[in-house]
Amino acid sequence: EAGVTQFPSHSVIEKGQTVTLRCDPISGHDNLYWYRRVMGKEIKFLLHFVKESKQDESGMPNNRFLAERTGGTYSTLKVQPAELEDSGVYFCASTQSGSTYNEQFFGPGTRLTVL
Amino acid sequence: QKEVEQNSGPLSVPEGAIASLNCTYSDRGSQSFFWYRQYSGKSPELIMSIYSNGDKEDGRFTAQLNKASQYVSLLIRDSQPSDSATYLCAVIGNTGFQKLVFGTGTRLLVSP
Repeated sequence: EAGVTQFPSHSVIEKGQTVTLRCDPISGHDNLYWYRRVMGKEIKFLLHFVKESKQDESGMPNNRFLAERTGGTYSTLKVQPAELEDSGVYFCASTQSGSTYNEQFFGPGTRLTVL
Repeated sequence: QKEVEQNSGPLSVPEGAIASLNCTYSDRGSQSFFWYRQYSGKSPELIMSIYSNGDKEDGRFTAQLNKASQYVSLLIRDSQPSDSATYLCAVIGNTGFQKLVFGTGTRLLVSP
């Protein structure tokens, strides 16, 4: 069974540009999460999808971040316009609906560098 | 006060020893507790989950949970150099949502 995949693995952009990150969850997993790790800090939650609906977006830092999950399969996270402080590693995780313990499985991450 | 606290380390142990990693959390109503292992430049890998007070063993790993004292620990028996990594403690709080709250991680170094 394929794990969570993310694309691209690395992205280097200039301040003010737009970047779109993609996450493909494990097949059949309705729950999809985005997290971010800024250098030197802990991994922090951004938002949670259940199928195509946003269940919790309390961690989204501001309106420059837009997450979508059309059709309830893969998800995209767009940053527009990017700022220097957006640099970090963006992780996606997924879990099955009805999972008693909500064990989340992480993708390899996208390392974003904003210059 | 951080929601989940871990000593950043590094924790150095010799090969074959027991490594003990600790984590405390602030939300008394937290329900689910996880340990992830993260190698440098890689994604967090789930190694243990625990939901009830007491011990849970899986191979060389034992997770211990004490909700009254609000701490969770991970013991690694017969530590191997390949266990050298950062160990992340993560908690699902009592918010009604399923987001993981992470500690900053403890770096473990196992020397041959």
